[in-house]
Amino acid sequence: NAGVMQNPRHLVRRRGQEARLRCSPMKGHSHVYWYRQLPEEGLKFMVYLQKENIIDESGMPKERFSAEFPKEGPSILRIQQVVRGDSAAYFCASSPSFSGQIKYEQYFGPGTRLTVT
Amino acid sequence: GNSVTQMEGPVTLSEEAFLTINCTYTATGYPSLFWYVQYPGEGLQLLLKATKADDKGSNKGFEATYRKETTSFHLEKGSVQVSDSAVYFCALSAWRNKLVFGAGTILRVKS
Repeated sequence: NAGVMQNPRHLVRRRGQEARLRCSPMKGHSHVYWYRQLPEEGLKFMVYLQKENIIDESGMPKERFSAEFPKEGPSILRIQQVVRGDSAAYFCASSPSFSGQIKYEQYFGPGTRLTVT
Repeated sequence: GNSVTQMEGPVTLSEEAFLTINCTYTATGYPSLFWYVQYPGEGLQLLLKATKADDKGSNKGFEATYRKETTSFHLEKGSVQVSDSAVYFCALSAWRNKLVFGAGTILRVKS
């Protein structure tokens, strides 16, 4: 069973360009989470998605960032007009569906390391 | 709000030494608690977890006990190896299963 896949692993963009980061969850997982790890810091939650729905985007910057998880295909994190401060590692995690008090651990992908020059 | 505080690193130990990495948390409700490990250039791997008070999570010689009275989840290992060198993250699951992470602790083990 393949794990969480992310691509590309490394992405270099010039200031003002767009960055698209892809995440394919583990087979059978319908929940996707995106986290950002700035240099020398821990991971910060960005957004939580289910198929075709954004459930919680409380950690997303208000501008330039968007995310989707279509019915078919991977989840996409899109950053428009990148700036140097967007340079970070972006991790995707997936989990099975859950309800009530049952919480399932999240499985992380290898991350995409974005460098903005 | 929810938060996790870890001891600052780096922690440098000799092989076979005893390891403790402190972790305390602030949370509403009854979160699940986790330790994740990150090797250089890689993603996070779940090391162990505990879902309720007094639960002990354990894996690969590491263990941590969910202490509600002290709001702590300290990571311990009796005898570390060079291969344990990595960054260790304590985390809790909050509303909608979002993870809240500590800042991470770098562990360096010397032979």
